Amino acid sequence: QIVLTQSPSASASLGASVKLTCTLSSGHSNYAIAWHQQQPEKGPRYLMKVNSDGSHTNGDGIPDRFSGSSSGAERHLTISSLQSEDEADYYCQTWGAGVVFGGGTKLTVL
Amino acid sequence: EVQLLESGGGFVQPGGSLRLSCGASGLTFSSFAMTWVRQAPGKGLEWVSGIRHSGTDTYYAASVKGRFTISRDNSKNTLYLQMNSLRAEDTAIYYCAKVDAITMANIDYWGQGTLVTVSS
Repeated sequence: QIVLTQSPSASASLGASVKLTCTLSSGHSNYAIAWHQQQPEKGPRYLMKVNSDGSHTNGDGIPDRFSGSSSGAERHLTISSLQSEDEADYYCQTWGAGVVFGGGTKLTVL
Repeated sequence: EVQLLESGGGFVQPGGSLRLSCGASGLTFSSFAMTWVRQAPGKGLEWVSGIRHSGTDTYYAASVKGRFTISRDNSKNTLYLQMNSLRAEDTAIYYCAKVDAITMANIDYWGQGTLVTVSS
């Protein structure tokens, strides 16, 4: 069974950068994941897919200040030049026979 | 532009049934797997069910297996979720989502969601 682990919260200052992490459970370190953003009171939005080699593909309309990377079983989402609208919940997602979500990270922009 | 529009949510008593629909446009519907994801009030995203592009294979979370049935009509570009024996813990916003492959993979488009409330 695949498990995705995320820190419950993170914070960073307006204009700064932040790196969010999603950790794949043991035995699944070669899995790709996707990142999704959910702004307050809105539905989720797909941000990108991150492969085990660190390559990433942004979704339609997602700006370049959103980027992805990998290190072992960790998959990262980096947001640069933080804006107020980046304050949101961020979920990682992977798949096997079904789909698995991490618990989400609530990002606060200070 | 890909658009997914859910309908069919509402208020139902425990033990009751509902059928959700999701109409898709802006894509070759029959080429992609589809999935349902729900979000209980104040909680995170929970995967519910998925279906291959052809409809030949279906997948379910343990929490809904045996009670929910996913299906699709590729001629109508529509995804369905039949929900039976509903429980209070099924109360959630239900999102239809497109998968970026013929089988389960990354979700790349989301609908706006439809609210299901199960209460006596």
